Amino acid sequence: NAGVTQTPKFQVLKTGQSMTLQCAQDMNHNSMYWYRQDPGMGLRLIYYSASEGTTDKGEVPNGYNVSRLNKREFSLRLESAAPSQTSVYFCASSEVGGTGYSNQPQHFGDGTRLSIL
Amino acid sequence: GNSVTQMEGPVTLSEEAFLTINCTYTATGYPSLFWYVQYPGEGLQLLLKATKADDKGSNKGFEATYRKETTSFHLEKGSVQVSDSAVYFCALKGQAGTALIFGKGTTLSVSS
Repeated sequence: NAGVTQTPKFQVLKTGQSMTLQCAQDMNHNSMYWYRQDPGMGLRLIYYSASEGTTDKGEVPNGYNVSRLNKREFSLRLESAAPSQTSVYFCASSEVGGTGYSNQPQHFGDGTRLSIL
Repeated sequence: GNSVTQMEGPVTLSEEAFLTINCTYTATGYPSLFWYVQYPGEGLQLLLKATKADDKGSNKGFEATYRKETTSFHLEKGSVQVSDSAVYFCALKGQAGTALIFGKGTTLSVSS
């Protein structure tokens, strides 16, 4: 059981380049999330998808777009990368999100380490 | 809004020492509380959780009790091992919330 799989694991970009981070889960979860992790900041939510067909902004959405391709896959796109987007990006999923289901834990991928020069 | 505050690290201990990592939260209603652990180069793994007041979550010798009166969820372990060296994150999920709100993380280093 792979859980949450993220690709690529490492990437170096030049300022202004674009790229898409891929995430797939095999747990039949409804909700998926993208976080970024920066030193001393914990994890901050970029975007989430409570269910297939819906996406919503999180705490730090500027400079990013997302696509919930199907129930399994949730991609994060940087249209024009900036050095401030150098970070470790984590995808997560949970069985259900939203009101009344706050006790469902999230399952995380191993992260994508992204450097933008 | 909801928030989580956890003690800053790094925390450095000798093997078999007692561990406490403090976590307090601010939230409306009755959130669920979690501790996640991140080993070097890996993603976050759920360590334990508690979903209502006075619940005690436990796993791998770690424990945390949901204290609503003090809005706290402190992580404890009676005897740490070198293999416990990692970053520990306290997190909450509000009743109306979808995503987790994380503390900034506490780095634990255990030496033999």
